[in-house]
Amino acid sequence: EDQVTQSPEALRLQEGESSSLNCSYTVSGLRGLFWYRQDPGKGPEFLFTLYSAGEEKEKERLKATLTKKESFLHITAPKPEDSATYLCAVRSYNTDKLIFGTGTRLQVFP
Amino acid sequence: NAGVTQTPKFQVLKTGQSMTLQCAQDMNHNSMYWYRQDPGMGLRLIYYSASEGTTDKGEVPNGYNVSRLNKREFSLRLESAAPSQTSVYFCASSEGLKREGGNEQFFGPGTRLTVL
Repeated sequence: EDQVTQSPEALRLQEGESSSLNCSYTVSGLRGLFWYRQDPGKGPEFLFTLYSAGEEKEKERLKATLTKKESFLHITAPKPEDSATYLCAVRSYNTDKLIFGTGTRLQVFP
Repeated sequence: NAGVTQTPKFQVLKTGQSMTLQCAQDMNHNSMYWYRQDPGMGLRLIYYSASEGTTDKGEVPNGYNVSRLNKREFSLRLESAAPSQTSVYFCASSEGLKREGGNEQFFGPGTRLTVL
């Protein structure tokens, strides 16, 4: 059964304090791993898609990496506006359905 | 482009009442989805439509029905609302199954539903 586990559930950082969020997955043939950002009261906003182990993608202070078992979302020198819940999802072959993790709630304090 | 739009934004129902949540996308996407999001449970798929004219059950379909009205619109109906259906409902769309590509899903702003 396809499964996604995110850790930690919540993370509090001081502005400028870099850290990483983890997404561990079990899937029968990975077609894509997705990262989303969700602000309170809003829908998830697409950030990245990773397809194969070793792949990396960057956007501003965010960098996503992928191995055969997990993905990391690295946040470098975060700012308060990076505060949000970050969701990870996977898609397996022969389906267009996504399996989501429960998210990591990030709070960045000035 | 508006992307994915949902109506209404908020709704309060009494147990047993019915209602339809509306969703529309202007990205010419083939696939559309309905999710519910509950604290600690993450996003769970209710129903999806891989293309116009087709619908399939997701992880939690009981108590819901859907209609893919055309390529743009996908509605979710609660025939007899129950307190357990209190949740935030999100509609999403994607290009659909492709030989290459990740098939990213794009989400609407959500409908916050309370069933008393």
